[in-house]
Amino acid sequence: DIVLTQSPLSLPVTPGEPASISCRSSQSLLHTNAYNYLNWYLQKPGQSPQLLIYFGSDRASGVPDRFSASGSGTDFTLKISRVEAEDVGVYYCMQALQSPYTFGQGTKLEIK
Amino acid sequence: QITLKESGPTLVKSTQTLTLTCTFSGFSFTTSGMGVGWIRQPAGKALEWLALIYWNDDKRYSASLKSRLTIIKDTSKDQVDLIMTNMDPVDTGTYYCARVNGGVSYGVMFLKWFDPWGQGTLVTVSS
Repeated sequence: DIVLTQSPLSLPVTPGEPASISCRSSQSLLHTNAYNYLNWYLQKPGQSPQLLIYFGSDRASGVPDRFSASGSGTDFTLKISRVEAEDVGVYYCMQALQSPYTFGQGTKLEIK
Repeated sequence: QITLKESGPTLVKSTQTLTLTCTFSGFSFTTSGMGVGWIRQPAGKALEWLALIYWNDDKRYSASLKSRLTIIKDTSKDQVDLIMTNMDPVDTGTYYCARVNGGVSYGVMFLKWFDPWGQGTLVTVSS
């Protein structure tokens, strides 16, 4: 199975400041079609997860442009340029390259 | 608008069989690449993918749970059932269904992402 390791696991951030989350994969997530099969989800408190990023760096519909993502192969990063109060929750990376599809442990973002 | 909603028992006993139903709207199994997946989450813990089924009835299962899981679709009702046998208290958690956005490459189905997700249903397994 592909193991995804996120860091940090807890991320206190002051509103207006940037934030960054890392996701490292035990295997390359780069498909032969040149897409990275790495997704980012945000689970807000009391809600179901919502898709933020697909193919490693493409923002899902309706996602604010303060969210960006990058990376390829085994190292990926999600960045928030200026954190807002509504960004609190747990962020998960997920690999869709091969079954069984796996998630990272989650990174809890909280406001200082 | 795409919506999914999970339904089923909130409480089951150890060794019993759990059947959950995902009822969806806004997309169809007649569309190539579409599908439905199931993901669960113990309270306060991370997400765990369980199973998915594509429009063409191609299925994928979690290797660790494969012997206990069955996923079935009913295209006429826009529903997908997840059946899990031999339930145990460690299976307690929230179960989500989600739309699968998939594709086909050289005749093989592949997953792109899960979006959107249902609201989830909490299942408690008592000993």
